[in-house]
Amino acid sequence: KAGVTQTPRYLIKTRGQQVTLSCSPISGHRSVSWYQQTPGQGLQFLFEYFSETQRNKGNFPGRFSGRQFSNSRSEMNVSTLELGDSALYLCASSREAGAQYFGPGTRLTVL
Amino acid sequence: AQSVTQLDSQVPVFEEAPVELRCNYSSSVSVYLFWYVQYPNQGLQLLLKYLSGSTLVESINGFEAEFNKSQTSFHLRKPSVHISDTAEYFCAVSDRGDKLIFGTGTRLQVFP
Repeated sequence: KAGVTQTPRYLIKTRGQQVTLSCSPISGHRSVSWYQQTPGQGLQFLFEYFSETQRNKGNFPGRFSGRQFSNSRSEMNVSTLELGDSALYLCASSREAGAQYFGPGTRLTVL
Repeated sequence: AQSVTQLDSQVPVFEEAPVELRCNYSSSVSVYLFWYVQYPNQGLQLLLKYLSGSTLVESINGFEAEFNKSQTSFHLRKPSVHISDTAEYFCAVSDRGDKLIFGTGTRLQVFP
């Protein structure tokens, strides 16, 4: 069974731009979660989607948003990029309850 | 609120020596516990999980962890490490399996 895939793997943007990241979960997994990983803050939960509904949200500003499609694929969007948004963005999928399986991540650099 | 403490930011060991990576958690409800491993420039790989049942859980590559409710701990152990075990290890807690709270990570460095 294919794992979680994320595109693109690397991205370079400038301040003020917006960006969209994509995640395809493991087949049959209906929950998709997003995390931000930085050297200073570590791994932080962004939000979780289940059946196209945001079920859980972390403590991030409104510039960070996401959505989930009917095929469980998910996107996250960051608007008005700031230098501090540079990070590894990880997507994870899971069944209803249990372990989350992570993708390789998207490395976002904001210049 | 839930939290995870990994007291050791770095653990250096020699190959074939035993290792223990410590993890303590704080939660007011029943929890699920996880260990993930991250190799350079990669995502997180699930190493092992405790959801319910036996408090001792094992992975296919020789790691094990024991859930200790009274001490609120979930330490990771391996009796004999290999060079290939060099990586960052993260302990995580969740009350329903959806939102993971991670520790700050422990860098395991295995020397020949």
